[in-house]
Amino acid sequence: IAGITQAPTSQILAAGRRMTLRCTQDMRHNAMYWYRQDLGLGLRLIHYSNTAGTTGKGEVPDGYSVSRANTDDFPLTLASAVPSQTSVYFCASSAGIGYGYTFGSGTRLTVV
Amino acid sequence: RKEVEQDPGPFNVPEGATVAFNCTYSNSASQSFFWYRQDCRKEPKLLMSVYSSGNEDGRFTAQLNRASQYISLLIRDSKLSDSATYLCVVNRWYGGSQGNLIFGKGTKLSVKP
Repeated sequence: IAGITQAPTSQILAAGRRMTLRCTQDMRHNAMYWYRQDLGLGLRLIHYSNTAGTTGKGEVPDGYSVSRANTDDFPLTLASAVPSQTSVYFCASSAGIGYGYTFGSGTRLTVV
Repeated sequence: RKEVEQDPGPFNVPEGATVAFNCTYSNSASQSFFWYRQDCRKEPKLLMSVYSSGNEDGRFTAQLNRASQYISLLIRDSKLSDSATYLCVVNRWYGGSQGNLIFGKGTKLSVKP
């Protein structure tokens, strides 16, 4: 079934640990995005990639890094997790400018 | 002015009611507009695109007023299954070209029996 797969579904992580959230799409979409969603703050863009090999910073990039080695995969890494990174993380992809986004089912991350 | 602004609600309506959501956006150059639906603890899903001439999909009607920078979503004959949060979405525009989508914080709808 075409779409976006995120892993893990949920995770409890000790502060200071490194963690990579995985995102894979099979729609051959050029653009991919990482958002975090927190109560009262809505969806906030962390990083994006308009095409394989390029990445850019969104509204809240600090503490996160991404890579885009190929079209399908867009992992998000937390180098040293802090409690304020407790959130629901959504990966999304798009066929291009002017198109809507398709979202993965999300990763619920708790940093303790 | 916030980039995308919505009334957070909640809107509590009985089954069969008609309900309207409004949204304003700040950048007059924005070109792409959408409504998304998000169920509790789920990912946002595209409900419909919004076109300049207005468009309808079953019980849902979306309208765009570029002069007022205003988008609306009308739901007729509300069903219990319409209970969700509705997100207004507009593309960012900078440097003379379209950018990524900006999501409003959402309007919560609760349809009661």
